Amino acid sequence: EVQLVESGGGLVQPGGSLRLSCAASGFSFSTYWMHWVRQVPGKGLVWVSRIRNDGSTTGYADSVKGRFTISRDNAENTLYLQMNSLRVEDTAVYYCVRDSSGYYRFDSWGQGTLVTVSS
Amino acid sequence: EIVLTQSPATLSLSPGERTTLSCRASHSVSSYLAWYQQTPGQAPRLLIYDASNRATGIPARFSGSGSGTDFTLTISSLEPEDFAVYYCQQRGDWPITFGQGTRLEIK
Repeated sequence: EVQLVESGGGLVQPGGSLRLSCAASGFSFSTYWMHWVRQVPGKGLVWVSRIRNDGSTTGYADSVKGRFTISRDNAENTLYLQMNSLRVEDTAVYYCVRDSSGYYRFDSWGQGTLVTVSS
Repeated sequence: EIVLTQSPATLSLSPGERTTLSCRASHSVSSYLAWYQQTPGQAPRLLIYDASNRATGIPARFSGSGSGTDFTLTISSLEPEDFAVYYCQQRGDWPITFGQGTRLEIK
């Protein structure tokens, strides 16, 4: 069974940093592209970032480019999202998502971790 | 950026009824349109990909159709567990985008 378990969320002040982790199990992690998608509670879904299966290529939404960094450790089956210079508008539930096609087909989602940016 | 507009915003129906949800794209996305279901407190679940392909484990009462700019998700006979929020998502152009959602509620 595919499992994606996020951790690392919490309350942080504007300008602060957080590192999210996503532990993957039940599938061959190193063969899948992975993404982060976020959702403001009660609102819609927004794609944040992606990383190629071997970690060689990354991509970011304009709203987080230059502030967030996606990475992965295939030996540890773990996906990361380093979030710096956090803003109030980054407050959301962050989902770790598996891509079954290599091009934005999101077939498995974690339960999400809540990031709250507030003073 | 391609904007996806879902309609209606809210739909009130009873179990056993048939329903059709709409997703319209501001520009053509070919057949690169997916549908997701999200129940309260849960993560989204992939239902349909590439407009008409059911994802693994999705019941046959869910079907998708359309291409270009107009897409529909049909649920042939509503089960109690189907009352949720449904999102469409396009991957036909970057950045990928999601619709704002249709809330399906019990009448």
